[in-house]
Amino acid sequence: GENVEQHPSTLSVQEGDSAVIKCTYSDSASNYFPWYKQELGKRPQLIIDIRSNVGEKKDQRIAVTLNKTAKHFSLHITETQPEDSAVYFCAASRGSYIPTFGRGTSLIVHP
Amino acid sequence: GAVVSQHPSRVICKSGTSVKIECRSLDFQATTMFWYRQFPKQSLMLMATSNEGSKATYEQGVEKDKFLINHASLTLSTLTVTSAHPEDSSFYICSARDLKENHGYTFGSGTRLTVV
Repeated sequence: GENVEQHPSTLSVQEGDSAVIKCTYSDSASNYFPWYKQELGKRPQLIIDIRSNVGEKKDQRIAVTLNKTAKHFSLHITETQPEDSAVYFCAASRGSYIPTFGRGTSLIVHP
Repeated sequence: GAVVSQHPSRVICKSGTSVKIECRSLDFQATTMFWYRQFPKQSLMLMATSNEGSKATYEQGVEKDKFLINHASLTLSTLTVTSAHPEDSSFYICSARDLKENHGYTFGSGTRLTVV
């Protein structure tokens, strides 16, 4: 089955800095890679996703890149703000299969 | 977008009692729903896949007689924690996907279960 590794487990940045979270996956057939943001005690919310037919996708301050050859994908947050503080999960799936989640990254943005 | 409603958001129960958690897809039909358990500061652990009109598929190590799943309609799945013990205390969360929408799974708001 799929195995998703996520790093780092904790990321601390100053407000305004950029943050990068990286994930690797094992199943070369995986073709859908969503990222979720989970605030304390709340549900994970989809913030951005990318499919295997593109290498990069951007939505305002958030971008995701995908390297299919190396089987890794990354989340980039620019101009971080305190409200970006949360746990971020990457995931990988094949078609409509249930996604496999990474272990999560706790992002702390210091004002 | 797709909305998944989960109820209750919090429940405290005594050891030995059973607790039922509901997960509803509000504006779409979901033949499949998923139940997760999340421990503090940890990732989402898939417990089982709930299939409408048939038996649930449980992940390895999850006791099917302990965590009863029923998916009686296309919009409702329930998870019943039977004979609850303090070690069952956790955050339980469901998810589903609207196949008409071309993006990821939507999560319910989660249920914080505390067994005393």
